[in-house]
Amino acid sequence: EAQVTQNPRYLITVTGKKLTVTCSQNMNHEYMSWYRQDPGLGLRQIYYSMNVEVTDKGDVPEGYKVSRKEKRNFPLILESPSPNQTSLYFCASRPQAIYSNQPQHFGDGTRLSIL
Amino acid sequence: KQEVTQIPAALSVPEGENLVLNCSFTDSAIYNLQWFRQDPGKGLTSLLLIQSSQREQTSGRLNASLDKSSGRSTLYIAASQPGDSATYLCAVRDFGNEKLTFGTGTRLTIIP
Repeated sequence: EAQVTQNPRYLITVTGKKLTVTCSQNMNHEYMSWYRQDPGLGLRQIYYSMNVEVTDKGDVPEGYKVSRKEKRNFPLILESPSPNQTSLYFCASRPQAIYSNQPQHFGDGTRLSIL
Repeated sequence: KQEVTQIPAALSVPEGENLVLNCSFTDSAIYNLQWFRQDPGKGLTSLLLIQSSQREQTSGRLNASLDKSSGRSTLYIAASQPGDSATYLCAVRDFGNEKLTFGTGTRLTIIP
């Protein structure tokens, strides 16, 4: 089954404790992206990747890191989480980075709470 | 900077009725527009994608239209069912840009 898988689905942690949210897709998609969703603000892009070893900032990259060492994986790293990073996070992917009219596929989300 | 607006934020209609959800965007130089459905505790499911050269797309009981010149899109749902209850999001991809700009969604409740 074609899917985007995020782990963990839920996480409660404390300020400053490094964490990684994994994202994996099995569709051989070139383009992958991370979004956060906050009430009243909608989904905002954090980082995206057009292919292996190619990443770029979205609208709200501060406090986050990403890497793309393999095509299928795009982990989101919070080096020193803070309470303002409490949010619902989504990973997405789609084929062919440039001039693609293919829809994005989303994971089920990761709800992070930073205390 | 592209801005996407969805009004109303919430909508309740009786089962069986036809309904229209609205999406407006400020910059008409878009590459495509996508409608998503989001269920509680779940991710986003793509419903329809309209390319900038298209006027509408249909899938089953759903029909999405696009009017770039006025910066509007509508999602028409025919013969609504309780299973249609969800939050519906529209997202725009601008030319020369990889990201999607999302609206804040319309939470739809179908009353049995």
